[in-house]
Amino acid sequence: QVQLQQWGAGLLRPSETLSLTCTVYGASFSGFYWNWIRQPPGKGLEWIGEINPSGTTNYNPSLKSRVTISVDMSKNQFSLKLSSVTAADTAVYYCARARTIAARLGFDSWGQGTLVTVSS
Amino acid sequence: IQMTQSPSSLSASVGDRVTITCRASESISRYLNWYQQKPGKAPKILIFAASSLQSGVPSRFSGSGSGTDFTLTISSLQPEDFATYYCQQSYSTPLSFGQGTKLEIK
Repeated sequence: QVQLQQWGAGLLRPSETLSLTCTVYGASFSGFYWNWIRQPPGKGLEWIGEINPSGTTNYNPSLKSRVTISVDMSKNQFSLKLSSVTAADTAVYYCARARTIAARLGFDSWGQGTLVTVSS
Repeated sequence: IQMTQSPSSLSASVGDRVTITCRASESISRYLNWYQQKPGKAPKILIFAASSLQSGVPSRFSGSGSGTDFTLTISSLQPEDFATYYCQQSYSTPLSFGQGTKLEIK
């Protein structure tokens, strides 16, 4: 059974770079699309972007200038970097798996979530 | 693509039949997924491609619709169904979610 385990710094100051990593256990890394999604406290879900095992990415235009998603197939990991964070980036960040590009069949496995707080 | 759910919140009793609606700002064919989220937990997929039940999800959950209008129906509410429900379009990027429907116990 696939498990996604994520980690990264939970407290950042404004202008710093958010960095999170998600490791995939119990399933093949190739053949799927790997996504990041965030949820501000008490609010809805926002898709950040996706990457395939070949490294092809697709980002939300609202964050594109600040986002980098990368993959390390040798470690079954993918990572998120978000630069120049502000308080508006405070959210629970989730990694998630999709079986197709653009999650045509939905996100079928999720990480446990990481609360990232941006505060001076 | 803007996704709008109604209602935003809903009170119901165990055993009730409940329907949640999701409307897309443009046609998304049948590229619509539904999730359940409980407090402090990651969302869990219930329905994909508008009406396909995810493996392991109870059959009391069902989805329908195409184009711009979709519904999630829970045929007989169980205590564990009280949660927040989100729709999500996968027709085009950026992928987008509805604002959520909070289902509470009456």
